Amino acid sequence: SQQGEEDPQALSIQEGENATMNCSYKTSINNLQWYRQNSGRGLVHLILIRSNEREKHSGRLRVTLDTSKKSSSLLITASRAADTASYFCATDGYGGSQGNLIFGKGTKLSVKP
Amino acid sequence: ETGVTQSPTHLIKTRGQQVTLRCSSQSGHNTVSWYQQALGQGPQFIFQYYREEENGRGNFPPRFSGLQFPNYSSELNVNALELDDSALYLCASSFGRGNTEAFFGQGTRLTVV
Repeated sequence: SQQGEEDPQALSIQEGENATMNCSYKTSINNLQWYRQNSGRGLVHLILIRSNEREKHSGRLRVTLDTSKKSSSLLITASRAADTASYFCATDGYGGSQGNLIFGKGTKLSVKP
Repeated sequence: ETGVTQSPTHLIKTRGQQVTLRCSSQSGHNTVSWYQQALGQGPQFIFQYYREEENGRGNFPPRFSGLQFPNYSSELNVNALELDDSALYLCASSFGRGNTEAFFGQGTRLTVV
């Protein structure tokens, strides 16, 4: 079963606009990660936020985490056509030792030039 | 590029056949995880190997098996292929047991006909 659920499923914006994607999950976590995937290729790691962190920045990316609401958001500022991709959140299982990441179905972002 | 390489990139197999997919982990990493990603879905955890031993397994039948070698590269074997096994198979490497930042390869696209 999938723990994370991204919202919206698809997002279309103009270049230069900001894009916000949300992720909700069901169980407690140690950390949450965001990945990008271009056209069915491999996943690129974007950012990891730990359960004791509330916000993290990396370049044009800003991630927030609200463990009380079991939700996270990914903000991409000043989007570019090259940001067109699918974005996935992935969580671990709190206290789990299997080492697996649990992914949602992703948000498909389209940035029009 | 993550330094995680997978081979082959694409292959086509007939139902009932067996297939072996390979993954070379990033230098310094001792953990390899395998994921199956069906079209339009998020990756699903198959299993993880830590220092040559299986460290956890997802909800996949026994015909999905794996190995990790002393150099920490890994193989995924699937026997008695079914049409539903058609998917992108992703390998991820990381350091240490448990849930850490994972670096993914470009994947192997398997088509079963």
